Amino acid sequence: EVQLVESGGGLVQPGGSLRLSCAASGFTFSSYWMHWVRQAPGKGLVWVSRINSDGSSTSYADSVKGRFTISRDNAKNTLYLQMNSLRAEDTAVYYCARDRPLSEHQGDYWGQGTLVTVSS
Amino acid sequence: DVVMTQSPLSLPVTLGQPASISCRSSQSLVYSDGNTYLNWFQQRPGQSPRRLIYKVSNRDSGVPDRFSGSGSGTDFTLKISRVEAEDVGVYYCMQGTHYRRYTFGQGTKLEIK
Repeated sequence: EVQLVESGGGLVQPGGSLRLSCAASGFTFSSYWMHWVRQAPGKGLVWVSRINSDGSSTSYADSVKGRFTISRDNAKNTLYLQMNSLRAEDTAVYYCARDRPLSEHQGDYWGQGTLVTVSS
Repeated sequence: DVVMTQSPLSLPVTLGQPASISCRSSQSLVYSDGNTYLNWFQQRPGQSPRRLIYKVSNRDSGVPDRFSGSGSGTDFTLKISRVEAEDVGVYYCMQGTHYRRYTFGQGTKLEIK
């Protein structure tokens, strides 16, 4: 069974840092691209970042570029999102989702999400 | 970036009646391989998004056949033939043709009248 389990969320002050993790199981993690998508309270889904299968290529939304870093450890079947210089507007539930570009596996599995709250 | 525009943003529907959600993209979603990578997601209250439809019209496993997707190029539609109580939630279209980054529609909130 495919499972994606996010962790690492919590309350952090503006300007602070947090690292999110997404533990994958039930599939060959190293064969899939991975994405982070966030959802502010009461708002829609917003793409944040993606990484290709071997970690050699990444992409970011303009709103997080230079502050967030996506990475992965294929030996540990884990995806990460390092979030620095956090702002109030980064408050959201963060989801990881798997992807295989241009296939039937685009966003076919998502985690349950982890809540990040940026507040003093 | 590709912009995805959904309508309506709010959709009150009577139980047993049909519902339809439109999604338009700012660029064609036809890829050079001839496929169109347009996906539909359902997000029930308090839950993670769940994919319903991929490549315009293919239902995911376990998705009731009252859900159907159609469209081409830049115009797409999700239809529910007879709305049930469990269909309450927010529906999102997402383009995957320009695959280096996902782009979602704003979401359509379906509620029961």
